[in-house]
Amino acid sequence: DAGVTQSPTHLIKTRGQQVTLRCSPKSGHDTVSWYQQALGQGPQFIFQYYEEEERQRGNFPDRFSGHQFPNYSSELNVNALLLGDSALYLCASSSHPIGDNEKLFFGSGTQLSVL
Amino acid sequence: QKEVEQDPGPLSVPEGAIVSLNCTYSNSAFQYFMWYRQYSRKGPELLMYTYSSGNKEDGRFTAQVDKSSKYISLFIRDSQPSDSATYLCATLGMWGAQKLVFGQGTRLTINP
Repeated sequence: DAGVTQSPTHLIKTRGQQVTLRCSPKSGHDTVSWYQQALGQGPQFIFQYYEEEERQRGNFPDRFSGHQFPNYSSELNVNALLLGDSALYLCASSSHPIGDNEKLFFGSGTQLSVL
Repeated sequence: QKEVEQDPGPLSVPEGAIVSLNCTYSNSAFQYFMWYRQYSRKGPELLMYTYSSGNKEDGRFTAQVDKSSKYISLFIRDSQPSDSATYLCATLGMWGAQKLVFGQGTRLTINP
């Protein structure tokens, strides 16, 4: 049973460029959340997708957008990259909603470096 | 004030020691509490999951939640070098809240 898979594992971009990160949830999960983890910090919630819609959003600018496909996989898009966007981007999947018996499982992340 | 505070360490202990990791949180609405372990360049791995106050034990790991003082603890008994990692505490709000709030993470090293 494959867990949460993310691609690519590493990415190098320059300021002002745009990037797309991809995620396939764990088998049986229908909800995908994205987190940003800066070096030495805990993950910060970007947004969550369920039924192909953005359900909740953290404190991130509109440059961060996403999409969920009918097969539950998801993309995270970041436009007009800034140096401060350099981080590990984590995808997490779950069955909706989280709580009680439903838990969040993370992929290994995409390490984005903005030069 | 951060919603979840965690001492970043680093913490270094000898093999076999009992390790105590702690977090405090500010929002009394938080109901679910988790501990994740994160190895270098990997995603967080769920270790322990508890609801409301009390203790939960799983092998060498014990998670403790004290809602009256808003305090979360993780104890590791008979620590092993393979336990060396960053440990993240996280909370989830009331039913319907889908966002995990993480502490900064504590970097732990177990010395053989």
